Amino acid sequence: EIVLTQSPGTLSLSPGERATLSCRASQSVSSSYLAWYQQKPGQAPRLLIYGASSRATGIPDRFSGSGSGTDFTLTISRLEPEDFAVYYCQQYGSSLKTFGQGTKVEIK
Amino acid sequence: EVQLVESGGGLVKPGGSLRLSCAASGFTFSSYSMNWVRQAPGKGLEWVSSISSSSSYIYYADSVKGRFTISRDNAKNSLYLQMNSLRAEDTAVYYCARGFGGVRGAIDYWGQGTLVTVSS
Repeated sequence: EIVLTQSPGTLSLSPGERATLSCRASQSVSSSYLAWYQQKPGQAPRLLIYGASSRATGIPDRFSGSGSGTDFTLTISRLEPEDFAVYYCQQYGSSLKTFGQGTKVEIK
Repeated sequence: EVQLVESGGGLVKPGGSLRLSCAASGFTFSSYSMNWVRQAPGKGLEWVSSISSSSSYIYYADSVKGRFTISRDNAKNSLYLQMNSLRAEDTAVYYCARGFGGVRGAIDYWGQGTLVTVSS
């Protein structure tokens, strides 16, 4: 099973600032099969990024993903008020899909 | 519009069984893999199981293997999760979720979830 470790656990930032979230895998993720999801309280998750760097339909271009192998990054270039939420990475390259434990982006 | 509506959650005693259902609409159900993902109260997401579009490929997390069974009925546009030998640690919101790019694809649409509580 591939274990994903996200850091930091919590990110305290102000609107307009840049957010950089990390996701590290315990072994190489096949074909960059890594996704990022956003979840707000009381809501289902929403797909942001798939294939490590492809934005899902309707996702603003302030969200970008990068990385390969075992190290991946989600960047939010300028935080909007609606971006404060919990973010999860997920690998789907193996038959056993796994999620990271999440990074909470909170208002400073 | 893609819609996924879960049902069947509730309170069950340890060792009991429950069957979750997911009604899909707004897309060609038979063309997509499907998943169940759960989230314990106040915790993160945990992938539970995936099934390919024709049910040829099925995968389970180690935590539920041998106890849970995923299935689908393409004629009824429905996904199911049969949960047996339930434990307290199975308490969670269970989400039905659509995969894209095959059974090993990412998840692009999620239902609103159904709560399963395992307690005596």
